Amino acid sequence: DAGVIQSPRHEVTEMGQEVTLRCKPISGHDYLFWYRQTMMRGLELLIYFNNNVPIDDSGMPEDRFSAKMPNASFSTLKIQPSEPRDSAVYFCASSLAGRAMNTEAFFGQGTRLTVV
Amino acid sequence: GENVEQHPSTLSVQEGDSAVIKCTYSDSASNYFPWYKQELGKRPQLIIDIRSNVGEKKDQRIAVTLNKTAKHFSLHITETQPEDSAVYFCAAKARNQFYFGTGTSLTVIP
Repeated sequence: DAGVIQSPRHEVTEMGQEVTLRCKPISGHDYLFWYRQTMMRGLELLIYFNNNVPIDDSGMPEDRFSAKMPNASFSTLKIQPSEPRDSAVYFCASSLAGRAMNTEAFFGQGTRLTVV
Repeated sequence: GENVEQHPSTLSVQEGDSAVIKCTYSDSASNYFPWYKQELGKRPQLIIDIRSNVGEKKDQRIAVTLNKTAKHFSLHITETQPEDSAVYFCAAKARNQFYFGTGTSLTVIP
């Protein structure tokens, strides 16, 4: 498996534009997490899914942020409209629960978002 | 929910010395504690982990300890090398959700 795959790696957009970040988790993993990383706030959990169902989205900053997981192999994080303060590195991670309860989260390479 | 605190936020050591990073957690339901290393511009990657039924685990120059009663866990790096310079994150897993510390920026001075 190629690991967790995120696209794009870098995104520069103008304020007010819609931004869509994409993630393909490791095959067979049933948990998917979206994190935002900034110098000031570290790694913040935005939302996570279990078996494609959103479980906790309390970390989503505001209504401009939305996330979907239409199937087990794909998730998107959308920001509309984007603002300069959304500039950060966004990580997707996946993990396996079930019988193997204590397994790590595997991170994607991240998407570096810059909103100008 | 779980609250993970990590100290120190920055740490500088001479090459060859030891480095210790400490974390505390609040939720007794946490049962898995991974440590991640993040090099500049890269993704966090697991370097070692410990489960709640174990008190200590070692892998070459890296060791982790867990005190469930006190809800403390620590990362120990011995004989540090310049390539150990990175940001290290502790995490606690409760109910299949990962809670991360705020990170420690470790600098190993040659």
